[in-house]
Amino acid sequence: DQQVKQNSPSLSVQEGRISILNCDYTNSMFDYFLWYKKYPAEGPTFLISISSIKDKNEDGRFTVFLNKSAKHLSLHIVPSQPGDSAVYFCAASERSGGGADGLTFGKGTHLIIQP
Amino acid sequence: NAGVTQTPKFQVLKTGQSMTLQCAQDMNHNSMYWYRQDPGMGLRLIYYSASEGTTDKGEVPNGYNVSRLNKREFSLRLESAAPSQTSVYFCASSEGIGNGNSPLHFGNGTRLTVT
Repeated sequence: DQQVKQNSPSLSVQEGRISILNCDYTNSMFDYFLWYKKYPAEGPTFLISISSIKDKNEDGRFTVFLNKSAKHLSLHIVPSQPGDSAVYFCAASERSGGGADGLTFGKGTHLIIQP
Repeated sequence: NAGVTQTPKFQVLKTGQSMTLQCAQDMNHNSMYWYRQDPGMGLRLIYYSASEGTTDKGEVPNGYNVSRLNKREFSLRLESAAPSQTSVYFCASSEGIGNGNSPLHFGNGTRLTVT
């Protein structure tokens, strides 16, 4: 059973507009959420995270929103730029997790920024 | 500062052959990980090491062995490769246990094909 779901395999957005990537989770014990960005032939790189005690975290053009009651988080990119074209992975961990419990990753969303 | 370095980048094996994937990090991180990524799947943890000489199984450890040679190096060995082990393998490291407080730093991956 998938505990972290990214239901959109791909998303196409025009340059300059807002990109919204969504992620749903089922495990109520998750309390840290992270977004990783991955370019082809490279490893994932950490983008932004949010703890369950917050409902928003912002870093430049990137903002992550967390709705605990809906078990939903989203990543907003404003404005979208061509270099944002990549696969975005949502990941989650429990407070006592990490280590061998690892992060639980979603399947990823391929974001394509159209010129 | 190279971060996490994986070798080789590509490898083709025949069923039953063995090989070792190498990983080294220069960030003085305590924790190291091996993940695999399959098409349409998120990353899944194979093994984790909290420190030199200690290793723990992750979600998909069968068919693999690991060795934490020292703080810098963490190798993954396939003793008898099977086609089901065709995948992209990522090594990662983190300062802490890899939950939201200590994001993972990934290498660029090893693309392994078993025929």
